[in-house]
Amino acid sequence: QQQVKQSPQSLIVQKGGISIINCAYENTAFDYFPWYQQFPGKGPALLIAIRPDVSEKKEGRFTISFNKSAKQFSLHIMDSQPGDSATYFCAANKGGTYKYIFGTGTRLKVLA
Amino acid sequence: DAGVIQSPRHEVTEMGQEVTLRCKPISGHNSLFWYRQTMMRGLELLIYFNNNVPIDDSGMPEDRFSAKMPNASFSTLKIQPSEPRDSAVYFCASSPLSGAYNEQFFGPGTRLTVL
Repeated sequence: QQQVKQSPQSLIVQKGGISIINCAYENTAFDYFPWYQQFPGKGPALLIAIRPDVSEKKEGRFTISFNKSAKQFSLHIMDSQPGDSATYFCAANKGGTYKYIFGTGTRLKVLA
Repeated sequence: DAGVIQSPRHEVTEMGQEVTLRCKPISGHNSLFWYRQTMMRGLELLIYFNNNVPIDDSGMPEDRFSAKMPNASFSTLKIQPSEPRDSAVYFCASSPLSGAYNEQFFGPGTRLTVL
């Protein structure tokens, strides 16, 4: 019940295309869902986050879509660029506690 | 701010040797986390400190692993003796104690290879 399932494991997208990464969770107590971006040789860095009181959050080319009833959320990268090539992790957090449950990661490659 | 600092960045050692990983959190952050990242298991929380006190060490794999935080600006993760299955990237992260949903700031990681 503590798991966050992430798919796909890897993704290849053409420049200018839309990248979509999906996550699903079981624990309805989760109330904060961040996405982290990790470049090779670097630590993960917060990209964008959402709380379940809204169904969508957009920051530039990055959008989180949230479906509370389905217990799913997804990251959409519009107009994907080669510089977006990285590993993306979804995560879930309960009530502002310290513990984040991370998905297994999606390795995105955007072709020039 | 320089961000979270970890050293060494790479460590190659032989099975049975002691390994010490070091972390300097962001100044003013009250929470510190050690994570291990592997292809098989993803990102796992090993231990969490708050105000230099270990709060949750349930993720520490076994007694060979130990972590300390002697002051607010330094933490170590020690593996003794090391084994090949300990090979992974170890991340330190810190977080400010300022309300809910605190962002965790990750260091660049230490890539450990145990031969």
